[in-house]
Amino acid sequence: GAVVSQHPSRVICKSGTSVKIECRSLDFQATTMFWYRQFPKQSLMLMATSNEGSKATYEQGVEKDKFLINHASLTLSTLTVTSAHPEDSSFYICSAISGFTGELFFGEGSRLTVL
Amino acid sequence: GENVEQHPSTLSVQEGDSAVIKCTYSDSASNYFPWYKQELGKRPQLIIDIRSNVGEKKDQRIAVTLNKTAKHFSLHITETQPEDSAVYFCAASTYRGSGYALNFGKGTSLLVTP
Repeated sequence: GAVVSQHPSRVICKSGTSVKIECRSLDFQATTMFWYRQFPKQSLMLMATSNEGSKATYEQGVEKDKFLINHASLTLSTLTVTSAHPEDSSFYICSAISGFTGELFFGEGSRLTVL
Repeated sequence: GENVEQHPSTLSVQEGDSAVIKCTYSDSASNYFPWYKQELGKRPQLIIDIRSNVGEKKDQRIAVTLNKTAKHFSLHITETQPEDSAVYFCAASTYRGSGYALNFGKGTSLLVTP
């Protein structure tokens, strides 16, 4: 099946620094990718919809200046958490829809810990 | 926007029994309803899905039913096994201006005891 790869799987950073997370569709082109955030024992919350070649669409309550999304190619979307703070510590998961099957595939997730 | 409610939040069953998880959604335009299984620290995995033109779908021990009039859908797992223990999420598609995205229920933590 289609594969979505996410990197890094774990990252620890100091408060105030920025962290970039990459999401790649390995064997299909994804014009649209989605970024979710998941707190421990909670559901996946949609943060934004990433569209290749255009600006991302953010969900209500998500700060676009804090969570920068870039979708420069049909196989890569990046999420940059700027000026990270401890409350940004979470599990971030990207996903992409296969144009062949319409199925949504998830990346492995990235666990961010901000000290 | 779309609101997906999922019940119960936790479910404990004996091995071999059936488990049922129910979800309701608010957006009548939603037309795609997948179910995901997530083990601790791992990515969600699609286990079954249903589209709005179908009322029921089955795949071995799991089945999903959809009632579009009532806007609810359910996951049924029969002959449960300990390896079925995980968190299960339902989701409903919703249009996001530039395409469809999924809104997830809060999840059901299923525990199957031997």
